[in-house]
Amino acid sequence: GAVVSQHPSWVICKSGTSVKIECRSLDFQATTMFWYRQFPKQSLMLMATSNEGSKATYEQGVEKDKFLINHASLTLSTLTVTSAHPEDSSFYICSARGGRSYNEQFFGPGTRLTVL
Amino acid sequence: KQEVTQIPAALSVPEGENLVLNCSFTDSAIYNLQWFRQDPGKGLTSLLLIQSSQREQTSGRLNASLDKSSGRSTLYIAASQPGDSATYLCAVNNQGGKLIFGQGTELSVKP
Repeated sequence: GAVVSQHPSWVICKSGTSVKIECRSLDFQATTMFWYRQFPKQSLMLMATSNEGSKATYEQGVEKDKFLINHASLTLSTLTVTSAHPEDSSFYICSARGGRSYNEQFFGPGTRLTVL
Repeated sequence: KQEVTQIPAALSVPEGENLVLNCSFTDSAIYNLQWFRQDPGKGLTSLLLIQSSQREQTSGRLNASLDKSSGRSTLYIAASQPGDSATYLCAVNNQGGKLIFGQGTELSVKP
């Protein structure tokens, strides 16, 4: 149990385009989902926390107008990188929390974004 | 502000050796602490989760300990194998529910 999927697993886009990444909890209802980004050889940095049906809470330094997060259902959250630039190239990982293990986060496999 | 530090940053050992990875955190008010494994270009695999009330957790060749008062956790890997080569991440779950990650220890086990 507690499986989280992400789609796509990798994406390459041109500078200036927008990219949407999906995060799904497959076998539990995720009341909270988290989005992280990870640069090469670095650790995960929390970008934002989203609760189902409410606005996301962004960490300091993360532009909410650039990284749009939607958590419209208990099994799906999306991250849209708007007007992507090469510096947005990174590994984006989501996690989900809910169900019986409320204090544990379950992680998706990540999405590799490359902006040309 | 919670800060998590992992030592060493990288470690190379011969196959069969027992090893210890260290994690320290500055704020002892935590819900739990988790150890993850990350293979290159992949997501995270949860290894062990220790609740704040617990002292240790074991899974197979892995044993994780937690000393909340001193802000330390260790991950002990027994009889290391080349397949254990990966980056190991320690993360602390703060009272706000956020996970704060350390920088990781990159482990290489040589055959």
